[in-house]
Amino acid sequence: QVQLVQSGSELKKPGASVKVSCEASGYTFTKYAINWIRQAPGQGPEWMGWISTKTGNPTYAQAFTGRFVFSLDTSVSTAYLQISSLKAEDTAVYFCAREAGGLIWHFDFWGRGTLVTVSS
Amino acid sequence: QAVLTQPPSVSGTPGQRVTISCSGSSSNIGSNTVSWYQQLPGAAPKVLIFGNNQRASGVPDRFSGSKSGTSASLAISGLQSEDEADYYCAAWEGSMNGRGVFGSGTTVTVL
Repeated sequence: QVQLVQSGSELKKPGASVKVSCEASGYTFTKYAINWIRQAPGQGPEWMGWISTKTGNPTYAQAFTGRFVFSLDTSVSTAYLQISSLKAEDTAVYFCAREAGGLIWHFDFWGRGTLVTVSS
Repeated sequence: QAVLTQPPSVSGTPGQRVTISCSGSSSNIGSNTVSWYQQLPGAAPKVLIFGNNQRASGVPDRFSGSKSGTSASLAISGLQSEDEADYYCAAWEGSMNGRGVFGSGTTVTVL
């Protein structure tokens, strides 16, 4: 069965970096794009962008350029989200989600989320 | 600030039918399909509806979706206690170089 397993919660100080992993199983990793979605406390989801698992090419939403980097290690079917120069406002749950194949844009499988807390 | 607008909350008694609206624009809902997600407390969102009105695998037929112009709706008929959750609509905005957008979210309460 399809699973996206994310790394555990992180507590970081402002200015530090964090790397969240998303390990896929149960399907051919390179056939489906991975999207990243942020959900701040008490807020709705916010789309951060996506990465092509075929080419490794990332696309970032405007609000997530500069400090956010999507990457892959296809040898272990894992996608990564790295955030540098962390700020308090980066405190959120970060989800990876598989973009369903075909022409209808939606996410058919999600990771359970990784809570990143930024606090001094 | 979410791009798609939803009512903050809706409520109903068991067995009732409730609907959740999702209002967008010509660049998102008006030109692309809508999906709906259910998020139980502390859990990841789960797709209910995609392509405006297609139920995802395993989703009860009590859930249905529709779209008209720049708005979409999710209906839950025969409301059950386990339907208490947050619901979000989502759509692609723009064309190839566009972006994904989500709704502001609606909390469904079963009275």
